[in-house]
Amino acid sequence: DADVTQTPRNRITKTGKRIMLECSQTKGHDRMYWYRQDPGLGLRLIYYSFDVKDINKGEISDGYSVSRQAQAKFSLSLESAIPNQTALYFCATSDTRQGAYEQYFGPGTRLTVT
Amino acid sequence: AQRVTQPEKLLSVFKGAPVELKCNYSYSGSPELFWYVQYSRQRLQLLLRHISRESIKGFTADLNKGETSFHLKKPFAQEEDSAMYYCALLSGGSYIPTFGRGTSLIVHP
Repeated sequence: DADVTQTPRNRITKTGKRIMLECSQTKGHDRMYWYRQDPGLGLRLIYYSFDVKDINKGEISDGYSVSRQAQAKFSLSLESAIPNQTALYFCATSDTRQGAYEQYFGPGTRLTVT
Repeated sequence: AQRVTQPEKLLSVFKGAPVELKCNYSYSGSPELFWYVQYSRQRLQLLLRHISRESIKGFTADLNKGETSFHLKKPFAQEEDSAMYYCALLSGGSYIPTFGRGTSLIVHP
């Protein structure tokens, strides 16, 4: 089955460390997204990418950077992790070329910054 | 700017009772609205979209442009409906979604 996968699924890191979260998809979708989920705050968009050469900031991009290495891969980096970046991170894709805009989510990465 | 409001953080009902999860939106154009569901320890998945006018797992949602609402309803809740529900608005142009903060539905036996 075509899918959206994320690695790692869980990560504990220390304040100040650089960390990368990876997302891969076999759906052939053009758009990819990174969200963070916090209790009571719902899903907030960090970055999104229309295609390999088109990357855009979302609502809460400060402290994060991304790289779209290929149509199928979209990585999220925390340059210097801080405790308030502890959250559940989701990658998602959508296929706008078919006129369908629903989001397909990965399983999530639980990040803890100590 | 577009906004999605889900006024209830938590909704608790008993099995067999009707359930309504509220979603209000703020958007000047013609919206596309979705409901996503996240069951315990699972990824978010699409439940339904307003343009389909379909019923999924007994849930329906009607877009009310006058009240700018897209409430999710089910006449008889089941325990397996217990999950986190997110309303999402897709605005025209770039079609980037805006999510509400979510409502946690708990259905007691």
